[in-house]
Amino acid sequence: DTGVSQNPRHKITKRGQNVTFRCDPISEHNRLYWYRQTLGQGPEFLTYFQNEAQLEKSRLLSDRFSAERPKGSFSTLEIQRTEQGDSAMYLCASSLGHGGSYNEQFFGPGTRLTVL
Amino acid sequence: AQSVAQPEDQVNVAEGNPLTVKCTYSVSGNPYLFWYVQYPNRGLQFLLKYITGDNLVKGSYGFEAEFNKSQTSFHLKKPSALVSDSALYFCAVRDMGGTNAGKSTFGDGTTLTVKP
Repeated sequence: DTGVSQNPRHKITKRGQNVTFRCDPISEHNRLYWYRQTLGQGPEFLTYFQNEAQLEKSRLLSDRFSAERPKGSFSTLEIQRTEQGDSAMYLCASSLGHGGSYNEQFFGPGTRLTVL
Repeated sequence: AQSVAQPEDQVNVAEGNPLTVKCTYSVSGNPYLFWYVQYPNRGLQFLLKYITGDNLVKGSYGFEAEFNKSQTSFHLKKPSALVSDSALYFCAVRDMGGTNAGKSTFGDGTTLTVKP
């Protein structure tokens, strides 16, 4: 399967712990996105990379959240000092685009985070 | 700023009947518009997009959508619904002229139920 993969698929943690999620995009895709989705809502944009550069961060992304894409391939999303309000599905998506073009995104299955 | 509204949380149709899932948007410039579908326990899948050109776009699984600039709408349609079309549908928009290189905004989703 050459789609977007995310690990782990599920994560249960205690409040105050740190968690890290990984996303492996489709190999030739240069753009990578992180979203958060809660029940009854659509995906909310968190951050976006073009190659290894993080070009935009949502105001939703507090200083407890950090994302990296060190070699322009896989990406990690870390949440420090988790809070119960961080419980959600974290989605990763990738796409291929250059300049001002904007193409459809391919989504991974998500990582479901539960903070106790 | 960009926004999307899906005015119906739920749409119910009988198998074989036409279906419409509504989406309206707001952008300051011209829009990129997308429809995605989410099946239970699966990631979002791209259905179709409008970038420019013909207002009627055709996508996967027999779906189509009509871009209406005057009404700022991009309703999803299918002439004959199948039970297997039952899923959660998301409309998404990005402003072509936006400075937000990566951010697209999703609606809150419409649950489509097709009854035999």
